[in-house]
Amino acid sequence: EAQVTQNPRYLITVTGKKLTVTCSQNMNHEYMSWYRQDPGLGLRQIYYSMNVEVTDKGDVPEGYKVSRKEKRNFPLILESPSPNQTSLYFCASRTTAPGYGYTFGSGTRLTVV
Amino acid sequence: GQNIDQPTEMTATEGAIVQINCTYQTSGFNGLFWYQQHAGEAPTFLSYNVLDGLEEKGRFSSFLSRSKGYSYLLLKELQMKDSASYLCAVSPNPYNTDKLIFGTGTRLQVFP
Repeated sequence: EAQVTQNPRYLITVTGKKLTVTCSQNMNHEYMSWYRQDPGLGLRQIYYSMNVEVTDKGDVPEGYKVSRKEKRNFPLILESPSPNQTSLYFCASRTTAPGYGYTFGSGTRLTVV
Repeated sequence: GQNIDQPTEMTATEGAIVQINCTYQTSGFNGLFWYQQHAGEAPTFLSYNVLDGLEEKGRFSSFLSRSKGYSYLLLKELQMKDSASYLCAVSPNPYNTDKLIFGTGTRLQVFP
């Protein structure tokens, strides 16, 4: 089944403790992105990647890192999480062919206390 | 700046037609997407417009006017399962990027 898999689904952590949210897609998509979704603010792009070793900042990259060493994986790293990073995170991927939108992962609900 | 506006909430009756509007002001334009998001779930892709006009996909249609910075999503023969949020998103950069800007979404409630 074609899908984007994120882990974990839920995570509660403490301020300053480094964490990684994994994302993997099995559709051989070139483009991958990370979004966070907050009430009243909608989906905001954190980082995106157009291919292996090619990443760029979205609208809210502060406090996050990403890497794209393999085409299928695009982990999101929070080096020193803070409470304002409490949010719902989505990973997404899509093909370069025009007219196709993202396939989203199921989401990761992160709480930083 | 970049801005996308959608109504916050709409209600409609089962079997009816509803139109969800989206206006955008962005630095450039390289396509507009509509997504559906049920509560507690991930968004799913509905449609894509890059040229002016209407794109039809079954009960859903999407329209674009680039000169007016305007799009709408038309849902016909509404069903209870269409109760969801509908997200409008614009790709503002015509160059080789995957940058996307989302509106805050329109929450649609369908009543029997």
